[in-house]
Amino acid sequence: QAGLTQPPSVSKALRQTATLTCTGNSNNVGDQGAAWLQQHQGHPPKLLSYRNNNRPSGISERFSASRSGNTASLTITGLQPEDEADYYCSAWDSSLSAWVFGGGTKLTVL
Amino acid sequence: QVQLVQSGVEVKKPGASVKVSCKASGYTFTNYFIHWVRQAPGQGLEWMGVINPSGGGTTYAQKFQGRVTVTRDTSTNTVYMELSGLGSEDTAVYHCARESGSLDYWGLGTLVTVSS
Repeated sequence: QAGLTQPPSVSKALRQTATLTCTGNSNNVGDQGAAWLQQHQGHPPKLLSYRNNNRPSGISERFSASRSGNTASLTITGLQPEDEADYYCSAWDSSLSAWVFGGGTKLTVL
Repeated sequence: QVQLVQSGVEVKKPGASVKVSCKASGYTFTNYFIHWVRQAPGQGLEWMGVINPSGGGTTYAQKFQGRVTVTRDTSTNTVYMELSGLGSEDTAVYHCARESGSLDYWGLGTLVTVSS
């Protein structure tokens, strides 16, 4: 079934800002918004934000999310080495009655 | 604190079935849906299905319809995911995750390897 679209990779320099994008449609991102997950190699995903820009407790303010229409974005400011990870967007698709994920973006911090 | 503790590594032969468990603690079990998400080696996240622990109602991804069964035991706060007709393409880490509008807590994952 159709998923969300993310760029496969993004590279940014230390202390710079990275913006990751996630494109869906009016049945998923455009409806309920998107959540963002961070996954380091060998670890389970970790929730960074939900319903577009709500952060769970303990998540750094360097992570902020937004949405414009059917596209969600995650902005990470002041990039740190530990931010190097895979980032996934996710949303409930009301048409498919299914949870959908993006293919993931591998963020490299140079 | 919220914890989802999953069962251990499984090695299965093609055509067999596997049943993975996910024991929840630290919250009211029946108040939150539990999802199953798998991740093949080097690949992304793939949603398999969800259960409402309160009533036991389930929804499955179309891809797994007829092959996956998710159940729960409210006496032990445990959710089970059984996948039948295993093939090599089912080799993956299987995660359970709690939903509170989004998937906020995840189990560490259970590696299932399918090999003859």
